[in-house]
Amino acid sequence: EPEVTQTPSHQVTQMGQEVILRCVPISNHLYFYWYRQILGQKVEFLVSFYNNEISEKSEIFDDQFSVERPDGSNFTLKIRSTKLEDSAMYFCASSVLRGSTGELFFGEGSRLTVL
Amino acid sequence: KNEVEQSPQNLTAQEGEFITINCSYSVGISALHWLQQHPGGGIVSLFMLSSGKKKHGRLIATINIQEKHSSLHITASHPRDSAVYICAVSYNTDKLIFGTGTRLQVFP
Repeated sequence: EPEVTQTPSHQVTQMGQEVILRCVPISNHLYFYWYRQILGQKVEFLVSFYNNEISEKSEIFDDQFSVERPDGSNFTLKIRSTKLEDSAMYFCASSVLRGSTGELFFGEGSRLTVL
Repeated sequence: KNEVEQSPQNLTAQEGEFITINCSYSVGISALHWLQQHPGGGIVSLFMLSSGKKKHGRLIATINIQEKHSSLHITASHPRDSAVYICAVSYNTDKLIFGTGTRLQVFP
């Protein structure tokens, strides 16, 4: 069964360092998303991406964050200068239809620890 | 404010019991999703509903649009059903707004 894959599964970084989280969505999907979950809290939307551009972003997704689909298969989330409060589990998801009407397929998550 | 409330927060059951998890939301939605989060953290989509009822195996999801309420039922619960069950809604935008989840533990 096709699945969304994410790498790395766990990354530890120093505050101020740049981090890139990678995702390979399901191949025929058109919509891509990043969500995050701070430990003990609920999952929060970060950004959606369609047709090679951001279609929606939350207030969390500030200038420190960026997304890219560099080669038609990978979908990346970059955090330019990590802060302690960026420590969280980051989930990539993809869907055939827009998130409001289509089933989402999530990856297993990338745990980011900022020291 | 668009809120999603789930109840109960924690639920313990004996194997074989019938489980109900509830979700309420504050304003009209375009779709409601039920998701399962495994102990390791991974998230799996169980159902997406905009009206009525859906069934998959031992899982049943219902939604009442007028009452702004949805329920997830698990029949003949099993220890492997132990997980966090999350309700999430969308309002004709790309993003899902998640509830805090219901932690279910099923004991043999």
